Amino acid sequence: EAGVAQSPRYKIIEKRQSVAFWCNPISGHATLYWYQQILGQGPKLLIQFQNNGVVDDSQLPKDRFSAERLKGVDSTLKIQPAKLEDSAVYLCASSSSGTSGSYEQYFGPGTRLTVT
Amino acid sequence: AQSVSQHNHHVILSEAASLELGCNYSYGGTVNLFWYVQYPGQHLQLLLKYFSGDPLVKGIKGFEAEFIKSKFSFNLRKPSVQWSDTAEYFCAVITTGGFKTIFGAGTRLFVKA
Repeated sequence: EAGVAQSPRYKIIEKRQSVAFWCNPISGHATLYWYQQILGQGPKLLIQFQNNGVVDDSQLPKDRFSAERLKGVDSTLKIQPAKLEDSAVYLCASSSSGTSGSYEQYFGPGTRLTVT
Repeated sequence: AQSVSQHNHHVILSEAASLELGCNYSYGGTVNLFWYVQYPGQHLQLLLKYFSGDPLVKGIKGFEAEFIKSKFSFNLRKPSVQWSDTAEYFCAVITTGGFKTIFGAGTRLFVKA
């Protein structure tokens, strides 16, 4: 079974530039998550999709961050414009849904973003 | 607000020592509990999970965790650590319904050979 794929793995941009990250979840997984992990901290959930719909985006800075999941499969996360404090690893995870015990999340390798 | 606290940010042990990593959460409702591990250079991966039933759960590589509802705790244990257990360990809580996922800050474990 293929895992969660993310690209790019690394990205360096200047502040005020824009950047986009891509995630392809495990086939058949209805739920997709984007996390931000700042150095020395645990992952912080930015947004959670259930198929095409957003379940939780309460911690997404909507003035600069946006995410979409077209057709309920892969997803993109965008930052525009980037700030220095956005430097972090952006993790994508997916899980199946509906039945008890199915909230186990499978994580991708992450994208390490450096904003200079 | 819901939160997850991991008491130790860095732990250094010698091989064969026993391990216990603390995790406490604040949430009044029903939760699902997880421990994830991230080995150097690898993805986050599931170590063990608790949904219901026996509060003592066993995971991979000899790890176990005990859910104590009255203490809102889910501590991770291993009787004898190995050098290969060197990694970062994260406790996570998912509220029933899967609508809120909260991770702790992580504990970095270093095992001396």
